[in-house]
Amino acid sequence: GESVGLHLPTLSVQEGDNSIINCAYSNSASDYFIWYKQESGKGPQFIIDIRSNMDKRQGQRVTVLLNKTVKHLSLQIAATQPGDSAVYFCAENTDRDDKIIFGKGTRLHILP
Amino acid sequence: DAEITQSPRHKITETGRQVTLACHQTWNHNNMFWYRQDLGHGLRLIHYSYGVQDTNKGEVSDGYSVSRSNTEDLPLTLESAASSQTSVYFCASSESGLDRTSYEQYFGPGTRLTVT
Repeated sequence: GESVGLHLPTLSVQEGDNSIINCAYSNSASDYFIWYKQESGKGPQFIIDIRSNMDKRQGQRVTVLLNKTVKHLSLQIAATQPGDSAVYFCAENTDRDDKIIFGKGTRLHILP
Repeated sequence: DAEITQSPRHKITETGRQVTLACHQTWNHNNMFWYRQDLGHGLRLIHYSYGVQDTNKGEVSDGYSVSRSNTEDLPLTLESAASSQTSVYFCASSESGLDRTSYEQYFGPGTRLTVT
């Protein structure tokens, strides 16, 4: 598949451990955030979202934390599996229109 | 099942040629978007549309155009392909309206374009 980011920051995690991927956003007016997962050769796939009136939201094996004070977003993946290997993007929206702005992404590498 | 498709999946063209990339969605979404993805740049918005006959420029629109004649399709045209437009192109669609539940965008599989 296509290589989507040879120069992306990479997080290497042992299989079975928890992963934490971080994202800093710059627009203090952003009030909606999404995490996407992109596997090699595929389009981005929605993982989880969170609105700014929340500071934590949980899904299946994933948790998103939002700290509006320092404009920081994180994605926690519990019990990381080989299938979690991908590039992860955070994206934000200001609710003024329907566009979302993507961050540059982090590559998650799973160690056996 | 609803889906979003792109064609072709791979395209090689020469500098100066006009190229059109197709995007078709069956979600019945009003919103459609075109992005390009390059090493180290993430996804950058080229053009977007909020409905039939509506088109808007994104962050990197120079050299590209779109048209929206129906809900399902948003073709992306490179008027005169340049080597700098070698990239992977993704189309996406999303819900619209005040009663939408999220801003989630549904992505197609991408088109890898090489301009020689």
